[in-house]
Amino acid sequence: EDKVVQSPLSLVVHEGDTVTLNCSYEVTNFRSLLWYKQEKKAPTFLFMLTSSGIEKKSGRLSSILDKKELFSILNITATQTGDSAVYLCAVGASGSARQLTFGSGTQLTVLP
Amino acid sequence: EADIYQTPRYLVIGTGKKITLECSQTMGHDKMYWYQQDPGMELHLIHYSYGVNSTEKGDLSSESTVSRIRTEHFPLTLESARPSHTSQYLCASTRDTTYEQYFGPGTRLTVT
Repeated sequence: EDKVVQSPLSLVVHEGDTVTLNCSYEVTNFRSLLWYKQEKKAPTFLFMLTSSGIEKKSGRLSSILDKKELFSILNITATQTGDSAVYLCAVGASGSARQLTFGSGTQLTVLP
Repeated sequence: EADIYQTPRYLVIGTGKKITLECSQTMGHDKMYWYQQDPGMELHLIHYSYGVNSTEKGDLSSESTVSRIRTEHFPLTLESARPSHTSQYLCASTRDTTYEQYFGPGTRLTVT
């Protein structure tokens, strides 16, 4: 059975701090790893990673995938209160349905 | 921005009622999904569809049913709601060529 584990489950930081969120996975026939941000409603897409060692970057957020060790990290630098959310990691395996298996998320709280 | 809609956004109903949660997308995506998410928990896939007249059950057993008569429409029906169905239901869709799923705003269902 495919499995995605995120850590830590929750994190409280102050504005300006840098955080690293972790995602490890056990998936048969891995194809893609995705990061989403969820703020009380629909998850919004952040990154999709398919190749090992290539960093994806968007503003203060960046992510990298290690396919050998089966994990990914999401970094957020200079955190702001607007970064407070649940960050979800999901993995897609081969198959025509392109289903995703989600982790339980990391609840990030950024205090002013 | 993704064009995927869900109605109603919030619903409180009594036990035994039949309900239909609506999901529509205007992007022409073939693949659509229904997830169930309890507070603080991961998203669990309950149904998915490859396209018109094609539906499958997901990893999480659910008493709900779905239909896909039109590409843009993927409604979910509960014939007889129970308190155990209280949850958030998220609809998503994707193109054939990617694992990136676009999510609707969700329906928060409470069964009393």
